[in-house]
Order: sequence, then structure tokens, then C-alpha cells
Amino acid sequence: ETGVTQTPRHLVMGMTNKKSLKCEQHLGHNAMYWYKQSAKKPLELMFVYSLEERVENNSVPSRFSPECPNSSHLFLHLHTLQPEDSALYLCASSQGYWTGGLSYEQYFGPGTRLTVT
Amino acid sequence: KNEVEQSPQNLTAQEGEFITINCSYSVGISALHWLQQHPGGGIVSLFMLSSGKKKHGRLIATINIQEKHSSLHITASHPRDSAVYICAVLGGSNYKLTFGKGTLLTVNP
Repeated sequence: ETGVTQTPRHLVMGMTNKKSLKCEQHLGHNAMYWYKQSAKKPLELMFVYSLEERVENNSVPSRFSPECPNSSHLFLHLHTLQPEDSALYLCASSQGYWTGGLSYEQYFGPGTRLTVT
Repeated sequence: KNEVEQSPQNLTAQEGEFITINCSYSVGISALHWLQQHPGGGIVSLFMLSSGKKKHGRLIATINIQEKHSSLHITASHPRDSAVYICAVLGGSNYKLTFGKGTLLTVNP
């Protein structure tokens, strides 16, 4: 029970489908994150939003499109994915975004297990 | 080569044993995080530290900035401690959060 929820928890989609992952945080935080976790690889930071503005985009392919309509909600829109995009996608939030040397504790959602067929 | 290296990759212990997981990094950092990931994927932040030592229950985290090394200790380990423990550092030339590959801990009853 972390205050960060994600839906759906599991998703199977074909390469031509369009789907969206949703994340919601109930902690009053100002920063939200999307991570990708593939088997046997470290967590990869995909996107960071701070105060609803995208502040990091770590060379993520354009078939992943984030959206942050307000500080409590974060979406990841998916289209024309590849099988190698199958992974666990984790959302997280923190009180602030790391600037000026400050680091904030991150609160993670349970993740969405995505399988691309 | 990952900027954050954890050891061991896998660790099996008997209930009650003292556990140590190590994290070494190669860049200057402003903070280091220890995370716990249970089967099924959920991740919990255990510690965030930039110097010295922190303790929470049976968990202790230490960091040596000069040696670029941190350790996570678990005292009186229990099967419910079985999880993947992940080290992450904030720093480097482009000031980003970099994760280790994790250490899979299994505590047998």
C-alpha cells in the first residue's frame, strides 16, 4: 500500500494495437516517473515529470508517449510496440524532482506487466 | 559496464543469519537509494542516504563516500526478507539516477 496505483496490472497487446497505462498517486507529490524493467536488466528511467512538465526523456522511442494532465495522474500511451518492449512498467512519484543536489524518496506503484505479441 | 555494481548477485541464507549486500559506484553522487522489490514487482524504498548510516528496524544502511561504497545489512533475517534489493545512485556528469542490477536474496526457514 504505497499510495501509487497503476492500471492495468497486466496487459497483452499486439504490435498494431494502441493502449495506455495509467498511474495515479494520492500522496500530494509533485514529480512522477515512468520506469521500464526488463528481465535481467537494471531499472531504466524513461520519463520524469515535475509539476506536470516533462523534465527528462531518456532516449525513449517515440512509440512510447507520456502524458501528465495534472500532478496526480500520469499516462503512458503505447502504439506499434515491438516484442522487445515486453517488460514491467513501473510508475513512481516523489515529493520533488532532483535538482540542486536534492534527492527525494520515491514511492512506486505495483507495475504493469506488458506482453507484446 | 554499469556505473553501479552490486554484489553478490544472488544470496541464499538461513533464517536468523546476518546479511550484507554491497553496492559500489564509480561516479560522484549526491544520494544513494536502497530499494526492495518483492516477487510480483512491487518496489519499496528502504533508505535514502548521502553520508554515514541509517537504521530502520532490522535494516541498516551505510555509505562511505570516499570509497564510493554502500552496504545494506539485515540482522536476524527472516523468510519475508526474501526479495530483490536494488541500489541506485543519483549523480554523475549528467546528474541522473542509475540503478544496479539488484541482489536476489532468499532466506530459508
